[in-house]
Amino acid sequence: SQKIEQNSEALNIQEGKTATLTCNYTNYSPAYLQWYRQDPGRGPVFLLLIRENEKEKRKERLKVTFDTTLKQSLFHITASQPADSATYLCALGTGANNLFFGTGTRLTVIP
Amino acid sequence: EPEVTQTPSHQVTQMGQEVILRCVPISNHLYFYWYRQILGQKVEFLVSFYNNEISEKSEIFDDQFSVERPDGSNFTLKIRSTKLEDSAMYFCASSEGRTSGLDTQYFGPGTRLTVL
Repeated sequence: SQKIEQNSEALNIQEGKTATLTCNYTNYSPAYLQWYRQDPGRGPVFLLLIRENEKEKRKERLKVTFDTTLKQSLFHITASQPADSATYLCALGTGANNLFFGTGTRLTVIP
Repeated sequence: EPEVTQTPSHQVTQMGQEVILRCVPISNHLYFYWYRQILGQKVEFLVSFYNNEISEKSEIFDDQFSVERPDGSNFTLKIRSTKLEDSAMYFCASSEGRTSGLDTQYFGPGTRLTVL
């Protein structure tokens, strides 16, 4: 069956450290993968998109990697801040226009 | 910055009643979507809409659901006869549609639907 697993339901880290979130998928052939941020009671907010033929993408303090052999994406937030505390969602796109979301990782950055 | 808006923010209804959830997508976007998120669960795709017709739909989007773009700005989701299990947060999203499958989708704030 198809699965998208985000390995940690919750992750706590100290301010200033790098947070690393994992997204693993099974029985999908994604053309691209996106990461979103979701705050409580709000809609997902787009952060980064990485295509199947890209290994790494960066945007400010964010970095995402995509390994189609391992079927895994890693999402890094460097120099984390309390304002980064939120739930982070990975979403796969298979070439059509709908997205398949993981269950999310709730990140808490402790001051 | 343009954003997707949704009304109402919270809708309470009795089981068996019809509800219409409304969305105003970003004005120059061509693709529109509805997703739902049951409390504590993942965001699930319901339907995408392009050029005034459904582009794709999931298994969740059965005959009880319909979508419409009644005018140049609104995009609606109708649930004909609500069930308890329809209680969820419903998100509308839109995208430019320039490169199929590589669009960034912009989500609205959601409508919380509670079915009693």
